[in-house]
Amino acid sequence: DGGITQSPKYLFRKEGQNVTLSCEQNLNHDAMYWYRQDPGQGLRLIYYSQIVNDFQKGDIAEGYSVSREKKESFPLTVTSAQKNPTAFYLCASSTGTGVYNEQFFGPGTRLTVL
Amino acid sequence: AQKVTQAQTEISVVEKEDVTLDCVYETRDTTYYLFWYKQPPSGELVFLIRRNSFDEQNEISGRYSWNFQKSTSSFNFTITASQVVDSAVYFCALSLGGSARQLTFGSGTQLTVLP
Repeated sequence: DGGITQSPKYLFRKEGQNVTLSCEQNLNHDAMYWYRQDPGQGLRLIYYSQIVNDFQKGDIAEGYSVSREKKESFPLTVTSAQKNPTAFYLCASSTGTGVYNEQFFGPGTRLTVL
Repeated sequence: AQKVTQAQTEISVVEKEDVTLDCVYETRDTTYYLFWYKQPPSGELVFLIRRNSFDEQNEISGRYSWNFQKSTSSFNFTITASQVVDSAVYFCALSLGGSARQLTFGSGTQLTVLP
């Protein structure tokens, strides 16, 4: 079955620690995205990548980093510089980055900073 | 800058009632796309519909229908004969033409359908 997987589903982190969220897709999609969702709010774009070895900042990139070494994988690192990292993180992918390409989403990772 | 407003934070209906979720958008672009996504309790967003700015025809898909009106910058979503399984958060989103590549989401409407 084709789809997007994110792991882990729940993640706990101590303040000051970096943590990496995994996102893998087997849809052969070129574009991948990371969004952050806070309670009662819509999704906000953190980073996106159009092709391998290329990525662009979204609206709220500060305190986050990404890599795109493989087409299937787009891991997100939440660094200690992110002041309020507790949130629900969603990864998405699409066949391209054209505005007509709907995005398909993974199940999400809920990050809690203790 | 573009913006999407979903003024209804929470809606509760009894099963079999019809319900309309409102979406109002703002953009100066003439080419754009509007989307609706459903987020069930599991958390994963499910794509429901895409509509481009040049197509104002209403669309019906089973119990779902969408009313796009450029004159009022609205893209409302109606569920007919609601069911408990429709309970979810529904997001409206906007994507612009040209080189823009991101979706701007509204804050979502939590729909609860009571048995």
